[in-house]
Order: sequence, then structure tokens, then C-alpha cells
Amino acid sequence: GAGVSQSPRYKVAKRGQDVALRCDPISGHVSLFWYQQALGQGPEFLTYFQNEAQLDKSGLPSDRFFAERPEGSVSTLKIQRTQQEDSAVYLCASSQQGFRNTEAFFGQGTRLTVV
Amino acid sequence: AQSVTQLGSHVSVSEGALVLLRCNYSSSVPPYLFWYVQYPNQGLQLLLKYTSAATLVKGINGFEAEFKKSETSFHLTKPSAHMSDAAEYFCAVVRGGDMRFGAGTRLTVKP
Repeated sequence: GAGVSQSPRYKVAKRGQDVALRCDPISGHVSLFWYQQALGQGPEFLTYFQNEAQLDKSGLPSDRFFAERPEGSVSTLKIQRTQQEDSAVYLCASSQQGFRNTEAFFGQGTRLTVV
Repeated sequence: AQSVTQLGSHVSVSEGALVLLRCNYSSSVPPYLFWYVQYPNQGLQLLLKYTSAATLVKGINGFEAEFKKSETSFHLTKPSAHMSDAAEYFCAVVRGGDMRFGAGTRLTVKP
């Protein structure tokens, strides 16, 4: 596609509900990143994939958060038993070779509201 | 650990005035530094990046930033603000394989 696509754009979940957020990176991009952006804050790193390999998941806030990219393309961020503190915009970015050498392109994000 | 600090969560300028958004980094090695802009309900868009090729980096929309090692700074400037520049601006540094962002500065442009 022309850019990074994220779906849904908006999600309202009841506390305790499981949610799945999807990211379609730019075709051919090797690197994929997930960030969490709370209201009024900068994006916080969650996890990083190179192809299908999850190279860094140190930013995932708890074991309720899980990300996968099984075929090295589309990625899904799953949050189990959502809590109010999970309310944020979740951003996905992709790049050809990571941030150092090539530009990373960000999707518009999924705004998650837990009520 | 590499990180960035943005001084001033809100900056307000008049249209046509100089824009100066401050960013300081902490790094034990030469960093890769970036400025991104975020418009309401949009993703992040790259303005410019420093990769040690030149200390003065020119970006899109008339923005530029100067890397000053002695001051550990990478401030973003634009000589003349335009109404369309109103947005949130983020300074970022690459740490290992991922990027770490500052808290952001909201730029308001008054007519």
C-alpha cells in the first residue's frame, strides 16, 4: 500500500475485554515498530520486529500485551483484560532497514479508550 | 541510555516570527537524532534527521536543526512561522534498534 495502515482507527473497550490492533506496514519493509502514546505524551516504545522475528519486546508494559508478525508482514498487537491505564493511541511504524539507515513511516494510529 | 529532553511543552509565536523548539540529548556515543511533526489525529511525519554527515540539517517545510555536541543540543528552528506549522513536535534519538521520543512541544501560531 501507499502507507502504513492501522485498524481500527478507534476502539472503545470495556474494562476486562480483550482487543486486537492491526498494522499493515508498507510492502517490503523489514522493520516494524509499535509505540504507545498516552494523552499529552510522546510515543513510548513497545516492541520491534525484523521480518517475523520479535527482536525487542522490552517496552511491553505487562504480560497482558502481546505482539506478533507471523509472516513478516502484517502485525497484530493484542491486549488482554484491558485496564483503564491502557487507554492511549497505539502507533505502528515500518522501515526498510530500521531507524538508522532509512526513514520510518508511521500509521495514523489506533485510539483505544477503555471504559 | 540515550534519551532526549524537550524544553517547553508549549510554545506560542506570531505568524512570521522565528520558531525555536529546544531539544537536548544524553548520549555516550554520537547519536542519530530526529525531529517529527504530528498534526491532530495524524501519525508522525519526519521533518529531518541528523546522522553525523553535517551539523546543520535542513528539513521539509523550511525547518532546520543544528547539532551542537558541546551543548548536547539539537534545536529546531524556522525563520518565519506559518499558520500551518501549528502542530506537536517531537525530538527523538535512536537507541539500539528502536527510537525514543521526547515528551513533545505543542506549537501554536497566532495570526
